[in-house]
Amino acid sequence: AQTVTQSQPEMSVQEAETVTLSCTYDTSESNYYLFWYKQPPSRQMILVIRQEAYKQQNATENRFSVNFQKAAKSFSLKISDSQLGDTAMYFCAFMKHNAGGTSYGKLTFGQGTILTVHP
Amino acid sequence: GAVVSQHPSRVICKSGTSVKIECRSLDFQATTMFWYRQFPKQSLMLMATSNEGSKATYEQGVEKDKFLINHASLTLSTLTVTSAHPEDSSFYICSAQPYKETQYFGPGTRLLVL
Repeated sequence: AQTVTQSQPEMSVQEAETVTLSCTYDTSESNYYLFWYKQPPSRQMILVIRQEAYKQQNATENRFSVNFQKAAKSFSLKISDSQLGDTAMYFCAFMKHNAGGTSYGKLTFGQGTILTVHP
Repeated sequence: GAVVSQHPSRVICKSGTSVKIECRSLDFQATTMFWYRQFPKQSLMLMATSNEGSKATYEQGVEKDKFLINHASLTLSTLTVTSAHPEDSSFYICSAQPYKETQYFGPGTRLLVL
């Protein structure tokens, strides 16, 4: 079974600064995806970024980037130029898939990190 | 694209009654849908996985007779909480997965059982 650990229950950052959220996972699978989702106060889950395990290049989406260290099983999220709208609970998640990518497993979530951006 | 709706957004019911929650993928077909439960400031707990036209797969500890799931079409899944009790009060979230890796989430349903 897979486990995902987010060791930071709460984080805070000043507007326009950079913050990094940590995530580690444990798996014996070789083919998988990693995700970061955000859940703002509205409670709508929003996909932030996605990383395919076989890709060495770190994924980026505008102000969001990841530091994917496969050997260390680490998948941290960096938010640059933090904005008030980034205030949310952030979840790291793991999904395995079969070789050839023909079927996909369920998401395993971490405990979440509450991020507050201060003006 | 990739919009998932849930209805109702919130519901209050009396203990002992049943409540149905609908989850629809609006602009794509979902081969698989998932139902989660979430308590305040906690992570999402997967309750069950449903595939269109087949029986749902429930996670360990989830009562299948209490939480009935039907996935009758590629765009609609329903969760029925039968004989609801106050301990069933929670936030229920569905997600839909087209034939690729990403799950798209509905806005959630807040259930309060009195």
